[in-house]
Amino acid sequence: AQTVTQSQPEMSVQEAETVTLSCTYDTSESNYYLFWYKQPPSRQMILVIRQEAYKQQNATENRFSVNFQKAAKSFSLKISDSQLGDTAMYFCALGSAGNMLTFGGGTRLMVKP
Amino acid sequence: EAGVAQSPRYKIIEKRQSVAFWCNPISGHATLYWYQQILGQGPKLLIQFQNNGVVDDSQLPKDRFSAERLKGVDSTLKIQPAKLEDSAVYLCASSLVLSSSQETQYFGPGTRLLVL
Repeated sequence: AQTVTQSQPEMSVQEAETVTLSCTYDTSESNYYLFWYKQPPSRQMILVIRQEAYKQQNATENRFSVNFQKAAKSFSLKISDSQLGDTAMYFCALGSAGNMLTFGGGTRLMVKP
Repeated sequence: EAGVAQSPRYKIIEKRQSVAFWCNPISGHATLYWYQQILGQGPKLLIQFQNNGVVDDSQLPKDRFSAERLKGVDSTLKIQPAKLEDSAVYLCASSLVLSSSQETQYFGPGTRLLVL
């Protein structure tokens, strides 16, 4: 069975500052993928960033980057230069062959002006 | 490119009534997923289709939930009879193909169900 744990139910950050959201996971699969999804109050889930487990290089998408520690089974999301539009629920998700996704419980991020 | 469409957006019913949700995936996407998201939790997969066949329905409460994707495009998810604990947001997602790698899933806006 796969599990994903997000230990921070809520976080806040000042606009323009940097924040890191934590995620740990467990899987017996050797080939898997990790994702961060953003769910704004309108509830449309949007992909923020993805990481292939076989890649050592951390993924980066503009202001979003990940710190993937495979041995520790850790996958954190760093948001630089936080913007008001980053306010949302953030979900870490683990996927394996067959496209099944297992989601964590989410972290509510509030960006304050 | 149009995204994943879902209807209705909101539904309020009384317990023991039945309800149906509709999903239209992104054009050309072979794989379709239904998730249940209870307030304060992450989405939980209910069922996964590849074209019109079921790939995984191990977490679908089959005594009350059913889903179909008859023509391999649109899908409906039905609950009958509904229970109070079915109150949740029902998310539909689609991806291009089912493969050994991990295709990105694209989500619809969801249907918020309240069972009274």
